Amino acid sequence: DARVTQTPRHKVTEMGQEVTMRCQPILGHNTVFWYRQTMMQGLELLAYFRNRAPLDDSGMPKDRFSAEMPDATLATLKIQPSEPRDSAVYFCASALRVNQPQHFGDGTRLSIL
Amino acid sequence: AQTVTQSQPEMSVQEAETVTLSCTYDTSESDYYLFWYKQPPSRQMILVIRQEAYKQQNATENRFSVNFQKAAKSFSLKISDSQLGDAAMYFCAYRVGSYNTDKLIFGTGTRLQVFP
Repeated sequence: DARVTQTPRHKVTEMGQEVTMRCQPILGHNTVFWYRQTMMQGLELLAYFRNRAPLDDSGMPKDRFSAEMPDATLATLKIQPSEPRDSAVYFCASALRVNQPQHFGDGTRLSIL
Repeated sequence: AQTVTQSQPEMSVQEAETVTLSCTYDTSESDYYLFWYKQPPSRQMILVIRQEAYKQQNATENRFSVNFQKAAKSFSLKISDSQLGDAAMYFCAYRVGSYNTDKLIFGTGTRLQVFP
């Protein structure tokens, strides 16, 4: 079965450090999403891309977060500088096209000390 | 604004029995999609079932079925013949049926325990 691949699976780092999370969407999927899951806020959409173009990043703190798709096989989410409140599980998901189900990766558990 | 509400933080069921998880949503749209996702301890989000709002027939996937009540804005998940592997967090999600957005809005989840 084709799967969304996220790296790293776990990341622990100190406050102020740059964090980069990577996602390889399912081959052929043209829509990629970044979600954040916390106990307090649940699952929130941070940003998403269609055909590598950003469509909605209204859920993302702009001052420290950035999301890009350098090519169709790689999406990145960066936090710089990181803060303890960024600790969460970050999920990437991809969909074949508009109105198709989203398939999620295993997530990156991020801990900022 | 669209919202999704799951009023049951936790549910439990005995193996082989049936359990129903509740979900209600609020929207002014007429065209939308509803989903149930399962998140086991492994953390992966797994799509369980999907319902298009324009379809009157309730979706089914093996032991999983939904009761979609459009007028009441209710979308419950029924799990029949529960198995130990069904233990997980279950999230209800909504997406407006527009080509301009793919945004999923999730409920807060229901933790399902399955007892042998």
